[in-house]
Amino acid sequence: AQSVSQHNHHVILSEAASLELGCNYSYGGTVNLFWYVQYPGQHLQLLLKYFSGDPLVKGIKGFEAEFIKSKFSFNLRKPSVQWSDTAEYFCAFRTDSWGKLQFGAGTQVVVTP
Amino acid sequence: AAGVIQSPRHLIKEKRETATLKCYPIPRHDTVYWYQQGPGQDPQFLISFYEKMQSDKGSIPDRFSAQQFSDYHSELNMSSLELGDSALYFCASSLSGTSGGSYEQYFGPGTRLTVT
Repeated sequence: AQSVSQHNHHVILSEAASLELGCNYSYGGTVNLFWYVQYPGQHLQLLLKYFSGDPLVKGIKGFEAEFIKSKFSFNLRKPSVQWSDTAEYFCAFRTDSWGKLQFGAGTQVVVTP
Repeated sequence: AAGVIQSPRHLIKEKRETATLKCYPIPRHDTVYWYQQGPGQDPQFLISFYEKMQSDKGSIPDRFSAQQFSDYHSELNMSSLELGDSALYFCASSLSGTSGGSYEQYFGPGTRLTVT
């Protein structure tokens, strides 16, 4: 079955620390990959996406992600987090260019001042 | 830039009542998706429409129905509401990939439904 798993459910770190959130998907074919962020009480916002080409993608707010096809992974990184990065982060994928998204369980990130 | 509009933003209903959620996609977007996000859970796909036709169906209860209208807005109708239907309902819109491209989904602010 197609699925996506996120390695951590909760992450707590201090401002200026580096962040890496793991995401793995299970599907043998071509995928589109996404990271969304959901700030408390708000809707999902797209951080970055991978459709094809350069496996290292840069998104908004200093986030980047690397697609490693051999590992079925799409990990999210940020070199130095800020308190305002406190949010829930969802990895998602889809198996066709305009189909439904399948989300991971989400990672709650708390950045302490 | 115009975003996805959902109404109402909050809705409180009693068990066994009905509810209608509305979604207005970004102009020129022809595809609408509905997702349900329960408390502390990830969003789950319910149903999608392309050019007013149902394009895919997920874990949507039979008590729910949806449609997309000629102006591309969509409505999710929920009947015989149960306590477990309490959730955040997101609508997303996108261009379709029928022309060969890949397009991201833009999410609306959601409708928070509380069933008491």
